Amino acid sequence: TQLLEQSPQFLSIQEGENLTVYCNSSSVFSSLQWYRQEPGEGPVLLVTVVTGGEVKKLKRLTFQFGDARKDSSLHITAAQPGDTGLYLCAGANAGGTSYGKLTFGQGTILTVHP
Amino acid sequence: EAGVAQSPRYRIIEKRQSVAFWCNPISGHATLYWYQQILGQGPKLLIQFQNNGVVDDSQLPKDRFSAERLKGVDSTLKIQPAKLEDSAVYLCASSAITGGETEAFFGQGTRLTVV
Repeated sequence: TQLLEQSPQFLSIQEGENLTVYCNSSSVFSSLQWYRQEPGEGPVLLVTVVTGGEVKKLKRLTFQFGDARKDSSLHITAAQPGDTGLYLCAGANAGGTSYGKLTFGQGTILTVHP
Repeated sequence: EAGVAQSPRYRIIEKRQSVAFWCNPISGHATLYWYQQILGQGPKLLIQFQNNGVVDDSQLPKDRFSAERLKGVDSTLKIQPAKLEDSAVYLCASSAITGGETEAFFGQGTRLTVV
């Protein structure tokens, strides 16, 4: 069974602070996604990372995929109240009997106070 | 492009009753997922379809849950009989796996409350 461990589980910060969320596994994934979910809505895809060591930037968000494709991080610079939400990482498999399987971490609840 | 459609948005039922959820994926997406999400936690995969075949249902409580995807398009998830611990949001997602990348698009979910 593939597991993704996210940390921290909860994060409460002030507007303007920086933060990093981690996603770790003992399994190798073909790609890893980060999603953001707001109350009453389904998760929305933020980014997909595919290559080991890959770094992607989306405005104030920076995503990194570990060299071994087992872990990832999400860094937010100068957080804003609009960043508040549940952040989820998900690992995907592209081969064998697990083709297309998407396994989620338990999520990080981020609250940014004005 | 139309997104993933789910209905109903909310259901409240008594324990031991039955309930069904419906999902219409994005057109052309061969893969369809049903996830169960407890408040504040990550989604847990219940079942994954590839077209109308089951790829993974290892975490589906088969004594009470069932799902089908007729004709490889729409899907229904049924619970019979429901238990209190089934209270959760049930999310449907679909994806088109391209070049080894799996990017899932989610519906808004159905919030189930079992009383």
